Amino acid sequence: DQQVKQNSPSLSVQEGRISILNCDYTNSMFDYFLWYKKYPAEGPTFLISISSIKDKNEDGRFTVFLNKSAKHLSLHIVPSQPGDSAVYFCAASRWTSGTYKYIFGTGTRLKVLA
Amino acid sequence: GAGVSQSPRYKVAKRGQDVALRCDPISGHVSLFWYQQALGQGPEFLTYFQNEAQLDKSGLPSDRFFAERPEGSVSTLKIQRTQQEDSAVYLCASSLDGTGGVELFFGSGTQLSVL
Repeated sequence: DQQVKQNSPSLSVQEGRISILNCDYTNSMFDYFLWYKKYPAEGPTFLISISSIKDKNEDGRFTVFLNKSAKHLSLHIVPSQPGDSAVYFCAASRWTSGTYKYIFGTGTRLKVLA
Repeated sequence: GAGVSQSPRYKVAKRGQDVALRCDPISGHVSLFWYQQALGQGPEFLTYFQNEAQLDKSGLPSDRFFAERPEGSVSTLKIQRTQQEDSAVYLCASSLDGTGGVELFFGSGTQLSVL
């Protein structure tokens, strides 16, 4: 039972255009949602997060939108750059058994074409 | 060190062999997590430490997996009698505290291949 789903395994976007990565979740008890970026042979690096009480958070070229009624979040990258090419994971955290547990999706591979 | 350090970077083990994977978190980070990432999948939670206390080990797949963080700093993940299905990248992550919106800092992982 996958609680965090990224249904698009890959996405190609032209440089300068908008990239939209999507994520769906099933558990309404999640408190925070995070996006991570991963280059080959490296660990994931944090990109941006959003609290469950907000619907939008923006940081430079990156914006995360949260639609709680639809249990859906998206990451917008605009404008997209070739250096953004990586695998993007969404993650959700919730308090359980005395700790915050982070649950990751399966990732979306973004390719930005020059 | 500046980041989370994991060693070895690669480990090849024969089936049945025991392995030990090391994680050196960012200095001062209270929380330490171990994740397992199979090919084409996202990281899957294994276990969590707050300082030296192992507060959650619900993700450990079997009793062959054991983790410790005896002094609240360096952690070791041990896998006994390795099986082929244990082949994966093992990621360690740390954070300053255990709050849910705080970013996790990941190491580069240990890629384990069991032959």
